[in-house]
Amino acid sequence: TQLLEQSPQFLSIQEGENLTVYCNSSSVFSSLQWYRQEPGEGPVLLVTVVTGGEVKKLKRLTFQFGDARKDSSLHITAAQPGDTGLYLCALGNEKLTFGTGTRLTIIP
Amino acid sequence: DTAVSQTPKYLVTQMGNDKSIKCEQNLGHDTMYWYKQDSKKFLKIMFSYNNKELIINETVPNRFSPKSPDKAHLNLHINSLELGDSAVYFCASSQKGTVAFFGQGTRLTVV
Repeated sequence: TQLLEQSPQFLSIQEGENLTVYCNSSSVFSSLQWYRQEPGEGPVLLVTVVTGGEVKKLKRLTFQFGDARKDSSLHITAAQPGDTGLYLCALGNEKLTFGTGTRLTIIP
Repeated sequence: DTAVSQTPKYLVTQMGNDKSIKCEQNLGHDTMYWYKQDSKKFLKIMFSYNNKELIINETVPNRFSPKSPDKAHLNLHINSLELGDSAVYFCASSQKGTVAFFGQGTRLTVV
C-alpha cells in the first residue's frame, strides 16, 4: 500500500508569514492532488499535478511536484486567516488515497 | 444546486442501533465513494462503487453495508452501531478516478 506522509502535522503562524507544507510518498506516483478542508465541510480540490518537476500557482499558493514524483510541496505566501484549514494531498488513483494531513491555523 | 449532498448532517444514536446515511450526486459521475474521517482527521476510503457495482471494499466490518440503487445514489447502512463507529462520514463522487467532489459530511456520534 502506498503511504502518503504529510508534514508538519500541525502549523500555526501569524498572518502575513510564508509557509511550506510537504507530502511524501513511499513510492512513485503518477499524479497527485491537493485538497483543502474547512471545518464542517468536505475536502475541496485545489490542484492536480501530473508531471515531475511541475509547478502550479493558484493566487498565493504554489504547488510543486518533485522531479522523482515521490514528493510534493505547497507554499503559501503572505498567509491569510482564510487559508486556515486542513490540507490534504491525495493520490489520483481510483481509490483516492489521502495523506495524513496538515492542520494549518493562521493567526490574525 | 449542491453537487454531492448527504443526509443527515448530524446523527446521534445509541450503541446497538441501526442507522443509514444517504448520498446523492447530480454531477453525472460514474464513481461514488464512502470515506471515514477519524478524530485525527485521517480520511480513509471505505467503499467505492462504479455504475452501481462495488469496486473497492477496504476491510470494513460487515456491519457496514453500502447500497447503490442507481449511479447517482450511494447509501450507507450501519448495523449494531459501536462506540468506535463515531466519526465523520463523507460521500464523494468522481469521474474515472479524477477530481473527487465531496459532500459536507455526516457527523455520527454513538453514545
